[in-house]
Amino acid sequence: AQSVTQPDIHITVSEGASLELRCNYSYGATPYLFWYVQSPGQGLQLLLKYFSGDTLVQGIKGFEAEFKRSQSSFNLRKPSVHWSDAAEYFCAVGGGSDMRFGAGTRLTVKP
Amino acid sequence: KAGVTQTPRYLIKTRGQQVTLSCSPISGHRSVSWYQQTPGQGLQFLFEYFSETQRNKGNFPGRFSGRQFSNSRSEMNVSTLELGDSALYLCASSLSLAGGLGYNEQFFGPGTRLTVL
Repeated sequence: AQSVTQPDIHITVSEGASLELRCNYSYGATPYLFWYVQSPGQGLQLLLKYFSGDTLVQGIKGFEAEFKRSQSSFNLRKPSVHWSDAAEYFCAVGGGSDMRFGAGTRLTVKP
Repeated sequence: KAGVTQTPRYLIKTRGQQVTLSCSPISGHRSVSWYQQTPGQGLQFLFEYFSETQRNKGNFPGRFSGRQFSNSRSEMNVSTLELGDSALYLCASSLSLAGGLGYNEQFFGPGTRLTVL
């Protein structure tokens, strides 16, 4: 069965600093990978997705993620964080009829 | 294009009662999925409906049920509510052009916050 691990429950970064959120997955075949963001009181919004092809994918709001098959990772990055990026971030892995979400990483942005 | 809408947004019930939540997907989306989100368990998949048929089901008791109508709108029902059912219930829709749930981008609604007293 597929699974997703987000090792960091909570991360705090200063505004303007770079960000990397970690995601590791377990899946027997080539996974479909997603990053979603959830602001307080809101549903989840898709930031980016990887299905195949270029392993570096660009998303909305200046986010990017890199698929590394050898490390079973799909880490999310942003070069310069804005205060509005404070939210909870979920990595998800899909395949077939199954979609699994990680436990989420809560991002706090310091002024 | 309007997004996924869920009603009601907030609900307070007491143990033993029953509740029905509603979800209207994005126009043209035929797949609707339901998730339960709690601080302790995170996002857990309840079930997916596609063209009025339950296509996929998570590991929840039979008290949790759903259905989908011909216009793709979906309802979720929880009978005999327990305190542990307090959660944010999220609905998501997708075009589902590429096969199963795991292959498709999902669009989420804002959720229904259910509190069971």
